[in-house]
Amino acid sequence: ETGVTQTPRHLVMGMTNKKSLKCEQHLGHNAMYWYKQSAKKPLELMFVYSLEERVENNSVPSRFSPECPNSSHLFLHLHTLQPEDSALYLCASSQEAALSYNEQFFGPGTRLTVL
Amino acid sequence: AQTVTQSQPEMSVQEAETVTLSCTYDTSESDYYLFWYKQPPSRQMILVIRQEAYKQQNATENRFSVNFQKAAKSFSLKISDSQLGDAAMYFCAYKGRDDKIIFGKGTRLHILP
Repeated sequence: ETGVTQTPRHLVMGMTNKKSLKCEQHLGHNAMYWYKQSAKKPLELMFVYSLEERVENNSVPSRFSPECPNSSHLFLHLHTLQPEDSALYLCASSQEAALSYNEQFFGPGTRLTVL
Repeated sequence: AQTVTQSQPEMSVQEAETVTLSCTYDTSESDYYLFWYKQPPSRQMILVIRQEAYKQQNATENRFSVNFQKAAKSFSLKISDSQLGDAAMYFCAYKGRDDKIIFGKGTRLHILP
């Protein structure tokens, strides 16, 4: 596997379910990100992890819980979601360095539908 | 706070023609980076081109080039000799000193055969 992978690619869940999204990067990067992509809205940065420490949480509701056990893996745990949480969830990684290109490499996304 | 605006939700261009996608941004910083990302249908988002604000020369990557106007805070993407594979959502993005990337809403580009 190369690049950034995400599983599952599609997920349908009820509002009372608990599920997790998984992201894995094979690029040796030290920073990972979760984004939410909704129709007709800009990509919304949800969480940033740098060297496995969370450095950014853009006021995301607590029903989204990230976990970064190591620099290659990132999870997004979901519970008691709302229908408006239906979106494409993108994971990205980058080689963190101050004021650098910091090009982010994106995974294919998980298309989440909350019923 | 920085913002990125893409005023064209959708555009169409004839195959082999040239198209320009618009992007404006707002910032009080002097050092930053600008990016264009491409997201083809059902495929991963990839970086198309990037520009450092301190460089006056416009970035070019094969058929893709930018028109960077720092004073006007404008960063448009020109695609020459459009190909069917260029059909995608294109996102303009800004990265400042805090290293956060801010994306525009995107422009969906259709290529007409």
